Amino acid sequence: GQNIDQPTEMTATEGAIVQINCTYQTSGFNGLFWYQQHAGEAPTFLSYNVLDGLEEKGRFSSFLSRSKGYSYLLLKELQMKDSASYLCAFPGDSNYQLIWGAGTKLIIKP
Amino acid sequence: EPEVTQTPSHQVTQMGQEVILRCVPISNHLYFYWYRQILGQKVEFLVSFYNNEISEKSEIFDDQFSVERPDGSNFTLKIRSTKLEDSAMYFCASSQGDEQFFGPGTRLTVL
Repeated sequence: GQNIDQPTEMTATEGAIVQINCTYQTSGFNGLFWYQQHAGEAPTFLSYNVLDGLEEKGRFSSFLSRSKGYSYLLLKELQMKDSASYLCAFPGDSNYQLIWGAGTKLIIKP
Repeated sequence: EPEVTQTPSHQVTQMGQEVILRCVPISNHLYFYWYRQILGQKVEFLVSFYNNEISEKSEIFDDQFSVERPDGSNFTLKIRSTKLEDSAMYFCASSQGDEQFFGPGTRLTVL
């Protein structure tokens, strides 16, 4: 089957670093996405990993280990505006849909 | 920067009524999608559309749902007879390849 697990909620301090983990199970792997979703808004694309390793994009980095079925999103120099849900997702078997995790709600405190 | 647009932003309807949610995907994209998100729950795939036909649909996308691309720009989701449990945010998305770009969503409330 296909499944995604993420922590429900995390809290971090402004200026700090936080790592949001995602574990997944899928029979065919076609990459792993991270999206950010502010409350009441649409998901916005953050990253897409196909190969193992760390990809850095400004304050955000995403890591993938296909053998472990594991990914994380690393957010550095946290800002209050980073308070949002972070959604891990991967394409379904047909590659025409995204299978979504429930999201990790990140709360940033001053 | 091109973006996906959706109308209306909010729709309130009575149970049993038909609603049409409209989307204008990014102009050079070929793949179109509808997702829904019930308040406080995860995003759920409804349907994908390519080359003027449905490429995949989920179990949620039953006979009361239909999609259409009536012209070269619009992509619509019709719910024929709304139920209370259809109340959710409905997101349209489009893509050229891997990355899907989402519209702002339509909040549907069924009373």
